[in-house]
Amino acid sequence: GQNIDQPTEMTATEGAIVQINCTYQTSGFNGLFWYQQHAGEAPTFLSYNVLDGLEEKGRFSSFLSRSKGYSYLLLKELQMKDSASYLCAVNTNAGKSTFGDGTTLTVKP
Amino acid sequence: KAGVTQTPRYLIKTRGQQVTLSCSPISGHRSVSWYQQTPGQGLQFLFEYFSETQRNKGNFPGRFSGRQFSNSRSEMNVSTLELGDSALYLCASSQGPTAPSSSYNEQFFGPGTRLTVL
Repeated sequence: GQNIDQPTEMTATEGAIVQINCTYQTSGFNGLFWYQQHAGEAPTFLSYNVLDGLEEKGRFSSFLSRSKGYSYLLLKELQMKDSASYLCAVNTNAGKSTFGDGTTLTVKP
Repeated sequence: KAGVTQTPRYLIKTRGQQVTLSCSPISGHRSVSWYQQTPGQGLQFLFEYFSETQRNKGNFPGRFSGRQFSNSRSEMNVSTLELGDSALYLCASSQGPTAPSSSYNEQFFGPGTRLTVL
């Protein structure tokens, strides 16, 4: 089976940097995704990692270490609109995606 | 390009009834996945269809079923509804394994169908 763990809640201050961790155990790893989901809305794609290392996309960066089964999402220059749930999802060779329970980030002024 | 559409957006049913939800993927996408999202359980994978065939299935009872049509549109059906089936049902489409990069399978989510079982 597959197991994905991420913190349930995090709080940070506007303008700061926050790192959301995700650890996973899976067979047939074929990529890790991060999604953002605002309350009452559908998840939207943020980033994708399949090789080890850091992928940067504007204020958001995502890191992957396949040997450690570990990823993190880094959000810089936090804005109030970044308050949302952040979902870590692992894709397998069979094309199946398993999602973590999500991390609810609250950005305070 | 139009996004993923789901109908209906909201649905209220009573226990024992059955329901059919519809999903139209992004044009050109051939893979459709269904998820159930509840506050306590997060996003739970139901099943995935590609080219009218079910490729993957989650751990849900047989009351949950689905199908995909030749135009890639998909439906999911839940029979004998239970109170615990109240949830947001999300559909996501992707290009599928025939995408240029076989390992890049980004999913685009529809707005979801909010099902309430009374």
